[in-house]
Amino acid sequence: AQTVTQSQPEMSVQEAETVTLSCTYDTSESNYYLFWYKQPPSRQMILVIRQEAYKQQNATENRFSVNFQKAAKSFSLKISDSQLGDTAMYFCAFMKPMNYGGATNKLIFGTGTLLAVQP
Amino acid sequence: GAGVSQSPSNKVTEKGKDVELRCDPISGHTALYWYRQSLGQGLEFLIYFQGNSAPDKSGLPSDRFSAERTGGSVSTLTIQRTQQEDSAVYLCASSLGDRGGSEQFFGPGTRLTVL
Repeated sequence: AQTVTQSQPEMSVQEAETVTLSCTYDTSESNYYLFWYKQPPSRQMILVIRQEAYKQQNATENRFSVNFQKAAKSFSLKISDSQLGDTAMYFCAFMKPMNYGGATNKLIFGTGTLLAVQP
Repeated sequence: GAGVSQSPSNKVTEKGKDVELRCDPISGHTALYWYRQSLGQGLEFLIYFQGNSAPDKSGLPSDRFSAERTGGSVSTLTIQRTQQEDSAVYLCASSLGDRGGSEQFFGPGTRLTVL
């Protein structure tokens, strides 16, 4: 079974600075997807970034980028130029895609990291 | 266009009562998921619907939980004889579901409190 571990329950960063959130996972699959989701106090889960395991290039989305180390099974999220609106719970998630072995695209989540951006 | 909607946003019930939670997915999305978010268990998968295929119920915690999806659109999650440990936020998500790794779009959730 796949597991996702986020070892940082809480983090704090000053506005405009850079912060990195850690995520490790365990799987025997060779192809899969990894995601970072953001959940602000409004409870709405929002996709931040997605990485396909067979792509070596790290995904980027504006101020958000990942460091994907497949051999180490590590998938960290870097937030540059942090903004107050980035304050939220961040979840790392693993997906074994439905094309493989009857999997159903379900997300397996880590326990989350609560990020506070300080003014 | 409209996102995933869920109702009610909050539900308070007494132990032993049945509850129904509703999810309206994004129009055209063939895949629909239910997840539960609780302090003790974190975010966990409950059930998955894809088109006309048999649902994946592997995440349902007990036979008190059931879900259906009518006409390939709206879904209802039913919890019978609620227990205090059922208290959680129930999240619904939908996706195009036509390929692996499709982005899942989440609704705002229903916070269930069982007294």
